[in-house]
Amino acid sequence: EAQVTQNPRYLITVTGKKLTVTCSQNMNHEYMSWYRQDPGLGLRQIYYSMNVEVTDKGDVPEGYKVSRKEKRNFPLILESPSPNQTSLYFCASSSDGTVKEKLFFGSGTQLSVL
Amino acid sequence: SQQGEEDPQALSIQEGENATMNCSYKTSINNLQWYRQNSGRGLVHLILIRSNEREKHSGRLRVTLDTSKKSSSLLITASRAADTASYFCALNTGGFKTIFGAGTRLFVKA
Repeated sequence: EAQVTQNPRYLITVTGKKLTVTCSQNMNHEYMSWYRQDPGLGLRQIYYSMNVEVTDKGDVPEGYKVSRKEKRNFPLILESPSPNQTSLYFCASSSDGTVKEKLFFGSGTQLSVL
Repeated sequence: SQQGEEDPQALSIQEGENATMNCSYKTSINNLQWYRQNSGRGLVHLILIRSNEREKHSGRLRVTLDTSKKSSSLLITASRAADTASYFCALNTGGFKTIFGAGTRLFVKA
């Protein structure tokens, strides 16, 4: 089944403790992206990747890191999480590297930073 | 802001009625997409309409695009309780980003 898989689904952590949210897609998509969703703000893009080893900042990249060493994986790293990073995170992928086609979303990761 | 703005923010209708949601934007677009989200789950793509298209249909969904007015509408006909969800318009402006609006929350009463 074609899908984008995120893990974990829920994560509670404390300020400053490094964490990684994994994202994997099995559709051989070139484009992958991370979004955060906060009430009333819709989805805001954190980072995106047009292809392997090519990443760029979205609208809210501060406090996050990403890497794209393999086409299928696009992990999101929070080196030193803070409470303002408490949010619902989504990974998405698209077949088109310039994202002119639809996005496929993962099920989301609800992160709470205490 | 480049993002789309949905209107209304929330909509409550009876089962069987039609639901119309609107999206306005300020920039030129390559395409406009509509997504549905059920209660904190992942977004599901509904329809993509390109800038040179005016209308598209998919089952009970009808999307229109007016590039001169920089607006789009999503019509759900004969709504069902299962259509209860949040609906987002998303803009592709030709770069590497898809920009989402804040969404319309639709509640369909059985």
